[in-house]
Amino acid sequence: QSVLTQPPSASGTPGQRVTISCSGSSSNIGSNFIYWYQQLPGTAPKLLIYRNNQRPSGVPDRFSVSKSGTSASLGISALRSDDEADYYCAAWDDSLSGPVFGGGTKLTVL
Amino acid sequence: EVQLEESGGVVVQPGGSLRLSCAASGFTFDDYAMHWVRQAPGKGLEWVSLISWDGSSTYYADSVKGRFTISRDNSKNSLYLQMNSLRAEDTALYYCGKDKLRMGELSIDYWGQGTLVTVSS
Repeated sequence: QSVLTQPPSASGTPGQRVTISCSGSSSNIGSNFIYWYQQLPGTAPKLLIYRNNQRPSGVPDRFSVSKSGTSASLGISALRSDDEADYYCAAWDDSLSGPVFGGGTKLTVL
Repeated sequence: EVQLEESGGVVVQPGGSLRLSCAASGFTFDDYAMHWVRQAPGKGLEWVSLISWDGSSTYYADSVKGRFTISRDNSKNSLYLQMNSLRAEDTALYYCGKDKLRMGELSIDYWGQGTLVTVSS
């Protein structure tokens, strides 16, 4: 059972907007930055969002984050077939004195 | 070009020990914190350990605390993970990752391809 809770799956059609939620607590999302990673099939994870809403160079602005209290969500607009991947949220947890990942959400583009 | 290459993954018996290495190139190694993150077969990501740029600060997941030790040799641009008292649940692909910061948060902007550790009798 992960400290950060994500839905196991999500889906959408090309061009659609989808959101993936991440629920935590006051010791992690509620008081620290949220991060998001994308893992394409058979590859290493890739940093998608850092420090709540910062995108590394090369990550399109189709990816955005909203955060409120102890929850956050990743929004992907203009969905493409190559967005099909596993998405993980992560945050530092003050109680555990270290980072924690969510369980991951498998995004299917129909 | 930033490159991270893990090595050392093998099949080991429960209770055994193993040392993973990560060779870094293409960036100033001693300017950045480094992480180990693992992924059990068919499962999600699990953060394992973090070391600051100079090795003065280290952090561990509860699941490995007291059994694993992270270290680095900045003169060799290398990161290590000493794994003792291995258990079946430690079976995973182990990734090393570079943080964007000196002290480290969770901004892992470069990842290796991973090295597979299998704990089995």
